[in-house]
Amino acid sequence: EPEVTQTPSHQVTQMGQEVILRCVPISNHLYFYWYRQILGQKVEFLVSFYNNEISEKSEIFDDQFSVERPDGSNFTLKIRSTKLEDSAMYFCASSRQDGENTGELFFGEGSRLTVL
Amino acid sequence: KQEVTQIPAALSVPEGENLVLNCSFTDSAIYNLQWFRQDPGKGLTSLLLIQSSQREQTSGRLNASLDKSSGRSTLYIAASQPGDSATYLCAALIYNQGGKLIFGQGTELSVKP
Repeated sequence: EPEVTQTPSHQVTQMGQEVILRCVPISNHLYFYWYRQILGQKVEFLVSFYNNEISEKSEIFDDQFSVERPDGSNFTLKIRSTKLEDSAMYFCASSRQDGENTGELFFGEGSRLTVL
Repeated sequence: KQEVTQIPAALSVPEGENLVLNCSFTDSAIYNLQWFRQDPGKGLTSLLLIQSSQREQTSGRLNASLDKSSGRSTLYIAASQPGDSATYLCAALIYNQGGKLIFGQGTELSVKP
C-alpha cells in the first residue's frame, strides 16, 4: 500500500542551525502538507502546497520556514535558524482532491526534531 | 475560529467492551471529518473519513458518525481489544483553506486484557 515516507526519523541539532526535513508523498497525490506536534500538545497545521506554490500557511510558518518540491518526488521543509521551541514531531501529509475520498490526508511517521 | 474538542481525554476499559469516543467542533462549515489513530511516538494512521454530506462510515469494528448541525462526531469501537490501545484523534477539514485540518487533543484509550 502506498505510503508517505519521511527522513530523518530523528534529528538533533544545535540552536541556530539549519535543518531540512524530507518527505516523499504518495505518488499520485497533488496536495502536500506539513504539520507539527509539540510534545503533549495538539497536532498543528503549518503549510499546504499545491501546484508548486504555497496555498495556505499558519501564523507559525514565519520567515524561518520554507518548503520546496525540488523534483517530482520529494517535498522538503527547511527551518533556517532553529530555536528551542521548534523542538517537535514534524509530520508530512499528502492528499488527492478528487475521487471518492476527497480530502483524505495520509500522514508519514514523522520526523522528531530536538533543538539543544 | 474552528475549535475541535475531544472527550474524554483518557479512557480505560476491559477487553471486549464497546465504547464511544466523542469529538465536537464549533463551526459546522467543514469539508469532512477524519479520525486517526496515533501510537506512542508514531505517525497518524487514518481510520475513517466522513464527508460533510455523509452521516456515517464503517470499517470493520469501527463506526464513525457525523452530525454537522450539532457539531459532533463519534467513533464507536465494538468489542475492544488490547491492540486498540492508542490515542485517537479527530480532525475537521475547513472549507476552502488549502487542506487545513484542525485537530482535537485526542482520547488516550487503554484496553485491559
